[in-house]
Amino acid sequence: EAQVTQNPRYLITVTGKKLTVTCSQNMNHEYMSWYRQDPGLGLRQIYYSMNVEVTDKGDVPEGYKVSRKEKRNFPLILESPSPNQTSLYFCASSFDRTHQPQHFGDGTRLSIL
Amino acid sequence: KNQVEQSPQSLIILEGKNCTLQCNYTVSPFSNLRWYKQDTGRGPVSLTIMTFSENTKSNGRYTATLDADTKQSSLHITASQLSDSASYICVVSMNTGFQKLVFGTGTRLLVSP
Repeated sequence: EAQVTQNPRYLITVTGKKLTVTCSQNMNHEYMSWYRQDPGLGLRQIYYSMNVEVTDKGDVPEGYKVSRKEKRNFPLILESPSPNQTSLYFCASSFDRTHQPQHFGDGTRLSIL
Repeated sequence: KNQVEQSPQSLIILEGKNCTLQCNYTVSPFSNLRWYKQDTGRGPVSLTIMTFSENTKSNGRYTATLDADTKQSSLHITASQLSDSASYICVVSMNTGFQKLVFGTGTRLLVSP
């Protein structure tokens, strides 16, 4: 079954404690991206990756890092989380740029206290 | 400014009735327009994708229309079911290097028995 898998699904943590949200897809997709979803603002792109070792900033990259060492994995890293990063995060993948984003994960709800 | 506006923000209809959701955009240059369905607690799922030359596309009881001249799209749901209760998100892709996406904030639909 085609899947984008995110972990954890829920996380409550404190300001400044580094965290990583993992994302893995089993469809051999080249394109992957991260979004955050906030009430009234809709989905906003944080980072995207066109292939292994190729990443670029989206619309709201401040405070986030990503890496793409393998095609299937695209982790989102918060080096020093702050309360304004409390949000619902989605990872997505697609087989080409025209159809992106094609498949979304089920989301990670982060609460930064 | 590149924007996607959806209306209404929320809608309640009786099971079995039809409804139409609207999406107006000012995105340029236009590449494609996609409608997603997002169930509570889940990631968005793609319903339809339309390019400039397409003005209608169906997916079961969902029919999307696109008027590229007026920059308007609609999503028509026929014979609604309780499982149609969800948020519906309109996304316009720009015809740029990475097909930058502009997201609407969604219409929340509640189908009542």
